[in-house]
Amino acid sequence: SQKIEQNSEALNIQEGKTATLTCNYTNYSPAYLQWYRQDPGRGPVFLLLIRENEKEKRKERLKVTFDTTLKQSLFHITASQPADSATYLCAPGGDSSYKLIFGSGTRLLVRP
Amino acid sequence: GAVVSQHPSRVICKSGTSVKIECRSLDFQATTMFWYRQFPKQSLMLMATSNEGSKATYEQGVEKDKFLINHASLTLSTLTVTSAHPEDSSFYICSATGRGANQPQHFGDGTRLSIL
Repeated sequence: SQKIEQNSEALNIQEGKTATLTCNYTNYSPAYLQWYRQDPGRGPVFLLLIRENEKEKRKERLKVTFDTTLKQSLFHITASQPADSATYLCAPGGDSSYKLIFGSGTRLLVRP
Repeated sequence: GAVVSQHPSRVICKSGTSVKIECRSLDFQATTMFWYRQFPKQSLMLMATSNEGSKATYEQGVEKDKFLINHASLTLSTLTVTSAHPEDSSFYICSATGRGANQPQHFGDGTRLSIL
């Protein structure tokens, strides 16, 4: 069955550093991959979408890579801020139902 | 843009009660809506996919008669938890997406359901 793996341990970094989160998937060939941010008690918020033919996508301080050979996506936040502290979810997708399969998320803590 | 409103945000009720949760897309037409359930510190579990004007497609293991989904218009989908029991207590979240592939999902802020 399809499996999405994100590091379950929280990532704790100092403000100003670059945060890198990993998403690995197996038994799946997604046409695209999306990243979301979720704050406690709230619904996820869409951040970025990267297609299978794109190696890298950027949006302000965010950067996403997509390696279909390694079956992996990396999510980077540069110049991190305490306000970036949240849980980040990856979600590959691409079949005709438009369904996404969500990873369990990685919690990011940015220390001031 | 792309705002999804979910109501109510919190429900506490007695066992055996049926609870209706509404999900509205406020500024776009949602051809597809999704209903998820999320347990603490776990991922979103897709319960069903709902297309406007047609029956919902339920994921394996989700009881259709327990979780009734109606998607009567392009801006409204409802989830009714029938005869709720304590094990149905959870965080329920809806999302909506527009027409076409590669569309992001826009999420509501969820409903915390507590069955006593």
